[in-house]
Amino acid sequence: KQEVTQIPAALSVPEGENLVLNCSFTDSAIYNLQWFRQDPGKGLTSLLLIQSSQREQTSGRLNASLDKSSGRSTLYIAASQPGDSATYLCAVKGNNRLAFGKGNQVVVIP
Amino acid sequence: NAGVMQNPRHLVRRRGQEARLRCSPMKGHSHVYWYRQLPEEGLKFMVYLQKENIIDESGMPKERFSAEFPKEGPSILRIQQVVRGDSAAYFCASSPIGQGVIYEQYFGPGTRLTVT
Repeated sequence: KQEVTQIPAALSVPEGENLVLNCSFTDSAIYNLQWFRQDPGKGLTSLLLIQSSQREQTSGRLNASLDKSSGRSTLYIAASQPGDSATYLCAVKGNNRLAFGKGNQVVVIP
Repeated sequence: NAGVMQNPRHLVRRRGQEARLRCSPMKGHSHVYWYRQLPEEGLKFMVYLQKENIIDESGMPKERFSAEFPKEGPSILRIQQVVRGDSAAYFCASSPIGQGVIYEQYFGPGTRLTVT
């Protein structure tokens, strides 16, 4: 059974600092890994999708890396802004489903 | 191209009533997934359906919960005789192809069920 862990569970950073969010998973037999953003009481916004054959993906200030063999992914958010405050979810795709971590709850302090 | 649609967005039911949650996948998508997010918990897979078929229901509670995806119309997640522990956000996702391939799942806005 796939287990996905996200560390730290919560963090606060001052505006302008870079954010580093970690995700680990126990079964390396995945098809892809996806990072989502979730605002309180809202749905999921897909940020980045990394296929299993890829090492990283970038979109604007966001960069996600994937090391499938060691079961790790890292999401980097450069020059954080108060609008980046949200919960970030990591999900890995197995055969039929996504397995989610519990999220990294981020607060960016102005 | 409209995204995944879910309705209602908010649903309040008294204990013992039935809850019906609807999901319309993106146009051209024939694979639907349901996930549940309990308070303070991560999203958990419930069921994966194709048109008229349940492919994987290993995440569904054994009693009171059922799902369908008919040939015509939306996918329905049905919860009979709701209890307070069913209060959660229920998310639907769709993809053009499902098993064993790399296509992305696209998520709807969710239905927030509150059982009083």
